[in-house]
Amino acid sequence: GDSVTQMEGPVTLSEEAFLTINCTYTATGYPSLFWYVQYPGEGLQLLLKATKADDKGSNKGFEATYRKETTSFHLEKGSVQVSDSAVYFCAPNYNQGGKLIFGQGTELSVKP
Amino acid sequence: EAGVAQSPRYKIIEKRQSVAFWCNPISGHATLYWYQQILGQGPKLLIQFQNNGVVDDSQLPKDRFSAERLKGVDSTLKIQPAKLEDSAVYLCASTPGGEGEQYFGPGTRLTVT
Repeated sequence: GDSVTQMEGPVTLSEEAFLTINCTYTATGYPSLFWYVQYPGEGLQLLLKATKADDKGSNKGFEATYRKETTSFHLEKGSVQVSDSAVYFCAPNYNQGGKLIFGQGTELSVKP
Repeated sequence: EAGVAQSPRYKIIEKRQSVAFWCNPISGHATLYWYQQILGQGPKLLIQFQNNGVVDDSQLPKDRFSAERLKGVDSTLKIQPAKLEDSAVYLCASTPGGEGEQYFGPGTRLTVT
């Protein structure tokens, strides 16, 4: 069935380090792809999205490119901050209006 | 604009008891989702409503879980009887028309002892 695999955490980085969180999805159809973030004590919120191949989603310095050929949607940020510490979820939406399939989440901890 | 509201925020019950969660989506949002998030995992969809009709309940354990959205606005999710493995955060989300960004509520953390 439809599924998504994320890089396991926790990931611990120093401030200003480069971040990559890998995400791959099963190639059933042409899903829209989302990254959600959950800050400590807060609810899930959308970080960025891409709806078709080669689209790049970006927000708050984070970027991810929809790679159809590798079925990937890796999250990157050039210089992380302590305030980026959170759990990040990759989530394809396969049926264009229905459920999101969430990865298991990757916890990021950024140290000063 | 008010966000998705959920109550209660926390609930502790004993196994075999029943419990109900309430969700009020963003005003005007036709589609409402209930997700279950077990500790250390990503959320899993339990049920999706479009207005007051069920679109997808394929992963809802119907022998013990039920949900309704009678007037196409707020919704209630019930568990009866609860099991230890139901301990999780129950998230409600909504979208205007079923596509694009889903807006999540703060969740209800259920502990079954």
